[in-house]
Amino acid sequence: ETGVTQSPTHLIKTRGQQVTLRCSSQSGHNTVSWYQQALGQGPQFIFQYYREEENGRGNFPPRFSGLQFPNYSSELNVNALELDDSALYLCASSRGGGPETQYFGPGTRLLVL
Amino acid sequence: QKEVEQNSGPLSVPEGAIASLNCTYSDRGSQSFFWYRQYSGKSPELIMFIYSNGDKEDGRFTAQLNKASQYVSLLIRDSQPSDSATYLCAVGRDNYGQNFVFGPGTRLSVLP
Repeated sequence: ETGVTQSPTHLIKTRGQQVTLRCSSQSGHNTVSWYQQALGQGPQFIFQYYREEENGRGNFPPRFSGLQFPNYSSELNVNALELDDSALYLCASSRGGGPETQYFGPGTRLLVL
Repeated sequence: QKEVEQNSGPLSVPEGAIASLNCTYSDRGSQSFFWYRQYSGKSPELIMFIYSNGDKEDGRFTAQLNKASQYVSLLIRDSQPSDSATYLCAVGRDNYGQNFVFGPGTRLSVLP
């Protein structure tokens, strides 16, 4: 157990809908990174939040947005869902905004129909 | 060239053998190197990390780093069927855009 929690665990949505995924970081960690992992692939970086500010973003469209709260928990929002958004969404927390060890939550599996 | 590459799998080894997993990276400024294990349908779990050239051992696992060759490996001694999983190599660097980059993973099967 890493102490990183995510909700919900599973979600089914239809094309065009919007979804919000949530993550609580490990105690003492101020950084949260979000990843998308399609079946059979490595995690793809979406963005990172460090002390409530975006600290980097991967090659994802603006309909992927995020937020970090003062307690360092975080949300990932995806608008206008597409079929290709079906994936495992992983949240990882770390102690700082640099190349620190990241600890993963259990993930949220999203299916878009 | 992808930023982090791993030997394509699946890799099959008999129980008790040594499994060797390889990873190369393109950014010479990379500072930290991680191996994660991911069971099917689960999230990645950290096995070990290494920062300095050379070997680092933790139980049955040994990570090896060669920064000059931009190469990092993971050896699993006395492989067990429970080691069957996908192994992800990740590289950490000081980069605003993305400071943690994963490889595609290598699937390992340990045959009883």
